[in-house]
Amino acid sequence: GQQLNQSPQSMFIQEGEDVSMNCTSSSIFNTWLWYKQDPGEGPVLLIALYKAGELTSNGRLTAQFGITRKDSFLNISASIPSDVGIYFCAGPTSGTSYGKLTFGQGTILTVHP
Amino acid sequence: DGGITQSPKYLFRKEGQNVTLSCEQNLNHDAMYWYRQDPGQGLRLIYYSQIVNDFQKGDIAEGYSVSREKKESFPLTVTSAQKNPTAFYLCASSTYPGVGGRENTEAFFGQGTRLTVV
Repeated sequence: GQQLNQSPQSMFIQEGEDVSMNCTSSSIFNTWLWYKQDPGEGPVLLIALYKAGELTSNGRLTAQFGITRKDSFLNISASIPSDVGIYFCAGPTSGTSYGKLTFGQGTILTVHP
Repeated sequence: DGGITQSPKYLFRKEGQNVTLSCEQNLNHDAMYWYRQDPGQGLRLIYYSQIVNDFQKGDIAEGYSVSREKKESFPLTVTSAQKNPTAFYLCASSTYPGVGGRENTEAFFGQGTRLTVV
């Protein structure tokens, strides 16, 4: 079945640093979604990407839809302590066009003040 | 405000008992989903429903059951047949295919229910 591989699995950074993480797949995705999950809470949608090559920003977050449609990147600039959490990439499961999603295993971000 | 509400936040169950997790949404979404999350892993799909009175098994449906009698509600029952039920359970919803264009791929999540078997 489809798999999404996220890297790195975890990151420990200092406040103010920039962060970069990515998500790759052996299958083509037509949509890439990036979610953030705070401890003990449900994931919250950060950015949605719908077109190969698309670059979209949401405040300090920027995400890109890879040209090959098999990868996506998320960057966080000037990190702050509230950026702590798990970041997931996701895409529609093969054969669907709606919210039935395949998730990566997540990148755990820790920000030291 | 529109959203998805899961209850309870924390649930404890004795081995051998069934337990039902509640999920209600007022987003007028047609499709609803249940995911399971274990430490260090991504979310795995248990069941999903595209429309009232219809639902489909996901990747890990064994030991679980659902119903979809109302558009707003999609309760999940964790049965005694589920061998390892301790986990964080997440409910989500999205618009139906063909409605809302691209946005129908976006799923919105509740705050989750942490189930512990004691």
